[in-house]
Amino acid sequence: KAGVTQTPRYLIKTRGQQVTLSCSPISGHRSVSWYQQTPGQGLQFLFEYFSETQRNKGNFPGRFSGRQFSNSRSEMNVSTLELGDSALYLCASSFPKQGVPYEQYFGPGTRLTVT
Amino acid sequence: QKEVEQNSGPLSVPEGAIASLNCTYSDRGSQSFFWYRQYSGKSPELIMSIYSNGDQEDGRFTAQLNKASQYVSLLIRDSQPSDSATYLCAVIPFSGGYNKLIFGAGTRLAVHP
Repeated sequence: KAGVTQTPRYLIKTRGQQVTLSCSPISGHRSVSWYQQTPGQGLQFLFEYFSETQRNKGNFPGRFSGRQFSNSRSEMNVSTLELGDSALYLCASSFPKQGVPYEQYFGPGTRLTVT
Repeated sequence: QKEVEQNSGPLSVPEGAIASLNCTYSDRGSQSFFWYRQYSGKSPELIMSIYSNGDQEDGRFTAQLNKASQYVSLLIRDSQPSDSATYLCAVIPFSGGYNKLIFGAGTRLAVHP
């Protein structure tokens, strides 16, 4: 079974621009979560989508948004980019099974650099 | 107090030894606990999940959970140089809901030949 895929893998943007990242979950997985990883803050939860609905959101400004499509693919958008948004953005998918506590499987990530 | 705490390391162990990685969490109602391994420049890889008190074994890995002490650990037996990585403890807090993983800062493990 193919893993989680994310595109693009690398991205360089300028302050003030916006960016859209894409994530395709493992086939059959309906939950997609997004995380930001930086050396200073570590891995932080952004938001989670299930059946096209945002079920949970982390403590990030409104510039960070996302959506999920009917095929479970997800996108996240960051508007008005700031230098501090430079990070590895990770997508994880899961398929809750009885007795298995929401195991999440990560994609390779998108490395975003803001200059 | 951080929600999930780990020693940053590095934890250095000789090849063949047991590596013991520890993690504490603050939300007493947490039910789901995970260990991820992350090699430098790569994404986290799930290696163990545990949600009941006690031990859970998978090959060379054993996860241990003590909810009364709010403590979860990972033992790696017969450590190999290929185990050298950062190990991330993650918790789904009771108050977080659904798939909100809270991660510790990670412990860097170095296994030397």
